[in-house]
Amino acid sequence: QLQLQESGPGLVKPSETLSLTCSVSGGSLSSTTSYWSWIRQPPGKGLEWIGSVYYSGRSYYNLSLKSRVTISVDTSKSQFSLSLSSVTAADTAVYFCARHRYDWGLREFDYWGQGTLVTVSP
Amino acid sequence: QSALTQSASVSGSPGQSITIACIGTNSDVGGYNHVSWYQQHPGKAPKLLIYDVTKRPSGISNRFSGSKPGNTASLTISGLQAEDEADYYCSSYIGDNTWVFGGGTKLTVL
Repeated sequence: QLQLQESGPGLVKPSETLSLTCSVSGGSLSSTTSYWSWIRQPPGKGLEWIGSVYYSGRSYYNLSLKSRVTISVDTSKSQFSLSLSSVTAADTAVYFCARHRYDWGLREFDYWGQGTLVTVSP
Repeated sequence: QSALTQSASVSGSPGQSITIACIGTNSDVGGYNHVSWYQQHPGKAPKLLIYDVTKRPSGISNRFSGSKPGNTASLTISGLQAEDEADYYCSSYIGDNTWVFGGGTKLTVL
């Protein structure tokens, strides 16, 4: 059974860079039928797709965040990472990592991590 | 890309059926057969209920069903149970390998 687990600082200062890592177990990060994604949820609000990365490094991003986001993958560690620069209070959210099934295109998010709360505050 | 439109809340009594709508456009819901639905209980991660408009993953009850007439996708829950009380989100492919979620609907079981 595929399992994903987020890790990283729970508090980030405004204007700094938010960095999170997702560790994948029970499956291969190099799967040809998987992209690896980050999704966030501000407190009391809905879900927002941030972006997805393939094991080769090919990535796709939400256009509204693209200028500040980098998602990278480290297959040797079975991890993928999120970097979000120049954060503000609006970036405070629970951040989920998830598997984005790939079948001649990106499909549904079928496995999710438990989520980690990141607060942006001085 | 704006979020897909969902009603903020819906309610029903045990045993009843309810439908949650996800309103989009020709550029998202209406343009592709890649709509998925997720259930989220408080403090938990979302759980996949429906993908590709009508398909259920292994282990998901057949009380959950999806459809998509035109630019609106729908999730129907039949035989409502107390444990169905949760938030429900739709999601749609919008082209160029990008995705968007709906704003979410809170289901209350009376």
